[in-house]
Amino acid sequence: DAGVTQSPTHLIKTRGQQVTLRCSPKSGHDTVSWYQQALGQGPQFIFQYYEEEERQRGNFPDRFSGHQFPNYSSELNVNALLLGDSALYLCASSRTGAVIRNIQYFGAGTRLSVL
Amino acid sequence: KNQVEQSPQSLIILEGKNCTLQCNYTVSPFSNLRWYKQDTGRGPVSLTIMTFSENTKSNGRYTATLDADTKQSSLHITASQLSDSASYICVVSAFDDMRFGAGTRLTVKP
Repeated sequence: DAGVTQSPTHLIKTRGQQVTLRCSPKSGHDTVSWYQQALGQGPQFIFQYYEEEERQRGNFPDRFSGHQFPNYSSELNVNALLLGDSALYLCASSRTGAVIRNIQYFGAGTRLSVL
Repeated sequence: KNQVEQSPQSLIILEGKNCTLQCNYTVSPFSNLRWYKQDTGRGPVSLTIMTFSENTKSNGRYTATLDADTKQSSLHITASQLSDSASYICVVSAFDDMRFGAGTRLTVKP
């Protein structure tokens, strides 16, 4: 049983470019959340997808957008990249309706460097 | 202001020693509290999960405690190993809302 998988593992972009990150949730999970983690900081919540819709959103600009597919996999898109977008992007999956809420399993992350 | 505060920010200990990490929160209403271990450049891995009715939970050499009255939790690591070097993150949930602490960076030296 594969856990949460993310691709790519590393990515280098330049300012102004656009990037797409991908996430496949753990088997049996239907909810995907995305986090941005700057070096030395805790993860910051970007948004959460369930039933192909954005259900919750953190304090991130509209440059950050996402999508969830019928197979529950998800994409995170960032437009007009800024140097400050350099971070580890984490995907976490969970199962809505679980007995204990919000038990998330994290992927290994995508390291994005913006030059 | 972050609703989950962790201390210390960083900690260096010698291999074989014990240590305790702290997590104070103001998140309300409380649903559950989790401790994660995150190796550098990797995703967090869950160590323990505690609900309101639980005040201690162990996972090998890791023991977490929870005092829901004072809104404090601690993670105690016994007989530390070099592989314990990582960041430890406290996450507190209030129903559908989760709050992350900034983490404690633990370094175990030989």
